[in-house]
Amino acid sequence: QKEVEQDPGPLSVPEGAIVSLNCTYSNSAFQYFMWYRQYSRKGPELLMYTYSSGNKEDGRFTAQVDKSSKYISLFIRDSQPSDSATYLCAMKGNTPLVFGKGTRLSVIA
Amino acid sequence: GAVVSQHPSWVICKSGTSVKIECRSLDFQATTMFWYRQFPKQSLMLMATSNEGSKATYEQGVEKDKFLINHASLTLSTLTVTSAHPEDSSFYICSATYGAVNTEAFFGQGTRLTVV
Repeated sequence: QKEVEQDPGPLSVPEGAIVSLNCTYSNSAFQYFMWYRQYSRKGPELLMYTYSSGNKEDGRFTAQVDKSSKYISLFIRDSQPSDSATYLCAMKGNTPLVFGKGTRLSVIA
Repeated sequence: GAVVSQHPSWVICKSGTSVKIECRSLDFQATTMFWYRQFPKQSLMLMATSNEGSKATYEQGVEKDKFLINHASLTLSTLTVTSAHPEDSSFYICSATYGAVNTEAFFGQGTRLTVV
C-alpha cells in the first residue's frame, strides 16, 4: 500500500459545480496536510495548509481533514474554467513532503 | 506566500554535457531545499533534501554523483545534472521551507530538461 493514495482522474465537471478531491493515507505520523494546484509545465502552488482534523475554508476552497479515517478532502465551490489543473495532496510528519499522484481536473464552460 | 525562483525554466542540452539548475528563495531564508523530478502525468518524486552548509541527503535510487546538489547559502541551491543522457529528460522542481518542520513548502516554477 502506498503511503498516499489519490485518484488521478481525469475529472471533468461543468462550470459552477462543486468539486470534491480526496486522498487517503496510511502513515499515522502525518500531521501536516496540504493541497497544491499545478498548471501544466509549472511548479505546484500551495492552496491550503492544515494541521488538525476539521475544516479550513479559504474563499471557494475548503480543506477537510479526518485523521481518524486517514482521509483528506479539498472542496471547490462554484468551479471555474481557470480551476482546471492538477491538484496534488501532500502531507508530512517530521519528514519531507509525500505527495499523492495528483488529480487532473477540467472545468468545462 | 513566499517566492521561490527557479532558473532556467527550460533547457535543451546535448547528451554527455552537464546542466545546472538554480533555485532561489527571494524573500525568505530557506533552511531546507528539496529537489523533485516529475515525469508526465506523474507525481513529484523527491530526489534529495539539502540543508544550507551541509551535504544533501539523497533518496534511495538517486545517484549522488550524477545529480550534484549544492546549497551554499540560505537563498540558493543548485542541481547539476552531470553527463546528461536522454533518460534524464524530465521536469525538475525545487521547493524551499524555512524554520520549523511544520512550515509549508514553496515551489519554484520548474525546469524542463530535454537531453538530445
